[in-house]
Amino acid sequence: GQNIDQPTEMTATEGAIVQINCTYQTSGFNGLFWYQQHAGEAPTFLSYNVLDGLEEKGRFSSFLSRSKGYSYLLLKELQMKDSASYLCAVKQGNTPLVFGKGTRLSVIA
Amino acid sequence: NAGVTQTPKFQVLKTGQSMTLQCAQDMNHEYMSWYRQDPGMGLRLIHYSVGAGITDQGEVPNGYNVSRSTTEDFPLRLLSAAPSQTSVYFCASSVSPTPGNTIYFGEGSWLTVV
Repeated sequence: GQNIDQPTEMTATEGAIVQINCTYQTSGFNGLFWYQQHAGEAPTFLSYNVLDGLEEKGRFSSFLSRSKGYSYLLLKELQMKDSASYLCAVKQGNTPLVFGKGTRLSVIA
Repeated sequence: NAGVTQTPKFQVLKTGQSMTLQCAQDMNHEYMSWYRQDPGMGLRLIHYSVGAGITDQGEVPNGYNVSRSTTEDFPLRLLSAAPSQTSVYFCASSVSPTPGNTIYFGEGSWLTVV
């Protein structure tokens, strides 16, 4: 089975940097995904890591350490529109994604 | 480009009624799945399909049936609705189950069982 943990809620200030952590336990690890979900909307894809290291995409970066079962999503230059839930999801083999419970990020002025 | 289309968007059912949530994609994706999302629980997998004629159970399959007669469609049937099935349902698809393929979600179906 898989066990995915991420903080329930976080608050950060507009213009700042925030790091959302995700830890997981799984066999047959085959990639880690991050999704953004605004209230009342569907999740949208942010990033995918399968090898150790940092993947950078504009203001968003995602890091993976397979040996530690650890990932983080880094959001820079926070904007009010970044207020959303951020979902960590793990792929095991070719089975569908297993999602964590999500981290609700509030960006305040 | 419609992507993944779910209908209905909102539905209220009485306990014991049956209904079907429709999901269709126009991207020729082989891989489709249904998730439900409850407050504080994240997305949980109900059923999935790796191609026409092939379905499999996910984490929470009880009370739901699926079929995959065509590549495009993957309906989710509630056999006898219960209040515990009040949730938001998301259909998702991707080209294949190969890791790294982007998974596309439908806009969601809000279901209330009274």
